Amino acid sequence: GAVVSQHPSRVICKSGTSVKIECRSLDFQATTMFWYRQFPKQSLMLMATSNEGSKATYEQGVEKDKFLINHASLTLSTLTVTSAHPEDSSFYICSAVAGTGYLDTQYFGPGTRLTVL
Amino acid sequence: AQSVTQLGSHVSVSEGALVLLRCNYSSSVPPYLFWYVQYPNQGLQLLLKYTSAATLVKGINGFEAEFKKSETSFHLTKPSAHMSDAAEYFCAVSDPKGGSEKLVFGKGTKLTVNP
Repeated sequence: GAVVSQHPSRVICKSGTSVKIECRSLDFQATTMFWYRQFPKQSLMLMATSNEGSKATYEQGVEKDKFLINHASLTLSTLTVTSAHPEDSSFYICSAVAGTGYLDTQYFGPGTRLTVL
Repeated sequence: AQSVTQLGSHVSVSEGALVLLRCNYSSSVPPYLFWYVQYPNQGLQLLLKYTSAATLVKGINGFEAEFKKSETSFHLTKPSAHMSDAAEYFCAVSDPKGGSEKLVFGKGTKLTVNP
């Protein structure tokens, strides 16, 4: 089946630094990828929709300048948390859509645990 | 706005017993509904989805769910639990008229299977 990877799986950084998280579709091309954030014991919250070759679409309340998304190819999207602070500590999950039709299946990555000290 | 409520953050069953995970949705239009499973340190995997066809949907690993419009529910069931079913389960809803694949997730239910 379709596989989505994320790197790194865990990252610990100091406050004020930037962290880049990669999301790759390993065996399929994904024109659309999604980035979610999951707090402990809470839902996955959609942060942004990433479309290859165009600017990401951010959900209301998500800071565009803080969470930079780049979808440079059909198999790679990156999320950069800029000037990270402890409140940005969370579990970040990406998904990639296989296919071109509406509601084609989203395949999820294993997530990245970010801890900001 | 759409929302999903999963009743019970933790459910514990004995091996071989019925599994019932509850999901209620709120939507102004007939929704599309999904169940995902997440094993430790892994991504979410689609179990099944309802997209306005048959109201009883069969998924992988012996799970099924029934869409009940009158009850705004989409509960997930499995007749006989297996130890390997222990995981976190998420119900999600999507607006079919939204023109995108955006999903709204419930908070999840952690299923424990006791030997």
